Amino acid sequence: GESVGLHLPTLSVQEGDNSIINCAYSNSASDYFIWYKQESGKGPQFIIDIRSNMDKRQGQRVTVLLNKTVKHLSLQIAATQPGDSAVYFCAEIQGAQKLVFGQGTRLTINP
Amino acid sequence: DADVTQTPRNRITKTGKRIMLECSQTKGHDRMYWYRQDPGLGLRLIYYSFDVKDINKGEISDGYSVSRQAQAKFSLSLESAIPNQTALYFCATSDLMYTQYFGPGTRLTVL
Repeated sequence: GESVGLHLPTLSVQEGDNSIINCAYSNSASDYFIWYKQESGKGPQFIIDIRSNMDKRQGQRVTVLLNKTVKHLSLQIAATQPGDSAVYFCAEIQGAQKLVFGQGTRLTINP
Repeated sequence: DADVTQTPRNRITKTGKRIMLECSQTKGHDRMYWYRQDPGLGLRLIYYSFDVKDINKGEISDGYSVSRQAQAKFSLSLESAIPNQTALYFCATSDLMYTQYFGPGTRLTVL
């Protein structure tokens, strides 16, 4: 069936470097995507979203890129900080506001 | 105060016991959701409710039931808990927009 998945389960970066977390989706009819951050012991926290009529959206230190041709989504975090350590999920809206989550990528920041 | 609260935060129970997890929100949202999270997996939707009179099954509703007591309250019940229901459970809310806001989660262990 249709699904949202992540290329890598873990990612380690040096503090201060930029991080890129990738996500592939297979439902070409999806028109809305969200990135969530989940810190240990907490619920997922909204980071940024993007609609399918856009290919880029920027927030504070984060940028989401959407490539509909290859059905690929990425989250870029600029100047990664220790507080960015978390699991990052992409999620896709599939009808009636039902979110379908990917597996998640654990981001680890090295000092 | 947190916008979405869940009680209890942790629960250990035995096989066959009835368990209720509660969720309350102060965001004024009509839509509420229950998700389950297992290690290495994203969140999977159990049930959702778009208003007090509306209840819908998600992708993994077997073994669970819900009650929407009020706009602000949505509870999840396990009528007869089994060990493979050991997981993290999250409640979420949303308004007419797509973004869902999650509670802190309940860690449930079924022995």
